[in-house]
Order: sequence, then structure tokens, then C-alpha cells
Amino acid sequence: NAGVTQTPKFQVLKTGQSMTLQCAQDMNHEYMSWYRQDPGMGLRLIHYSVGAGITDQGEVPNGYNVSRSTTEDFPLRLLSAAPSQTSVYFCASSMGLVYNEQFFGPGTRLTVL
Amino acid sequence: ELKVEQNPLFLSMQEGKNYTIYCNYSTTSDRLYWYRQDPGKSLESLFVLLSNGAVKQEGRLMASLDTKARLSTLHITAAVHDLSATYFCAVDGLAWVSGTYKYIFGTGTRLKVLA
Repeated sequence: NAGVTQTPKFQVLKTGQSMTLQCAQDMNHEYMSWYRQDPGMGLRLIHYSVGAGITDQGEVPNGYNVSRSTTEDFPLRLLSAAPSQTSVYFCASSMGLVYNEQFFGPGTRLTVL
Repeated sequence: ELKVEQNPLFLSMQEGKNYTIYCNYSTTSDRLYWYRQDPGKSLESLFVLLSNGAVKQEGRLMASLDTKARLSTLHITAAVHDLSATYFCAVDGLAWVSGTYKYIFGTGTRLKVLA
């Protein structure tokens, strides 16, 4: 099992550009989520999904879109990148909400100039 | 609003010593999670605590949960250098007003164990 994979590992964008961060898991997990990690602020939930076709907003959803067309994949789209979106992004998955021990991907370090 | 606070934020300790990291949260929840993050790496699950009085141990780390006090502790026994990392607690649950699911991390405790 590869677990949770994320691509790319690093990305530099210019303000206003759009891009998609990819996330995939091979554990047949229903729950998937995206976090951003900023220094001194821990991790903050951006969006989550409890299954294919079902997504919802987390703490900091503005500027990001998600969709979940398959159980395996949960891409995160930045619509129009801003310097405030410079961060490390982690994707995670788990079996579900009742026992939400999350397994994290390796992260994507994004810089917006 | 669900808030999670950890203390201390930074901890420098000598090898062989004991110490405790505290995690307080603001609303009722029966579930608490501990994660470890090495510098530049991702997060790794350490413990899942699912009820009041739950205690889990793995090696030199022991976690406990008191849901009435809204407090979890991560106790380090006879610290070794390999335990140097950042430790996060997290709490989840439904926000009753909005019905939105929340998974809130503490800001983390950066632990440095000195030889």
C-alpha cells in the first residue's frame, strides 16, 4: 500500500494563477481532508469529504475548491492564488468520523509570489 | 466554538527526565488524538483516546483523557533524543449550531531532548 500520496511536493505560483493539488489514497478510506499548516498555527482544516460525491467546508475554505468523484482521489483547487495561501498543505484520510485517526500524506509546500 | 490549547509550546529537556504535555479543549468531546511531526515531515498518529479515563501507552509515551476536565496529557518517561519532535493533540466533533464537522488541532508542542 502506498497510503496517502500527494503531488507535487513543491510548487511556486504567481499571484492570480490557479492550480490543483492532487491527493490519492489506496486504503479505501471514506473520509478525506485537506489541511494547511502555517508556523505557530498548527493545522487548519480547509475542506473535507465523508465519501464520494460529498464534501463540506472546514475552518478556512475561502479560496479553495474540492470535489470527490471517486473514493481514492480528493484534489484541492486554488482558484486564484494569493500570497496568503503560501503554506504547507497536507491531505489526510481515515476510515470515518466515528474513529477519525487520520493518515497523512507527505505534504505539498506551496509558495505564492 | 471548539478551541484546543497545548502547553507548553516549547519544551527543552534532558535525556532521562520525565515531563508532561497538556492539551485543553473548550467543548464537550469524547475523542482526542495525538500526533507526532518530525521537522520537515508529515504527521504520524500516536494515540486515539475515545472515552473518559482512556489511557494508552507506547514505549516512553503515555496519553490519557479526562473528558470532564476537558484535558488530555501526554507523559514522557525517561526521555531520549529520538523523541525530539513536535507533538499535536486534536479534537473532533460536530458543531451543533451549524452541523459542521470540526477537527481542530492544537498549536503543537515542540520538544527537544538534549543529550
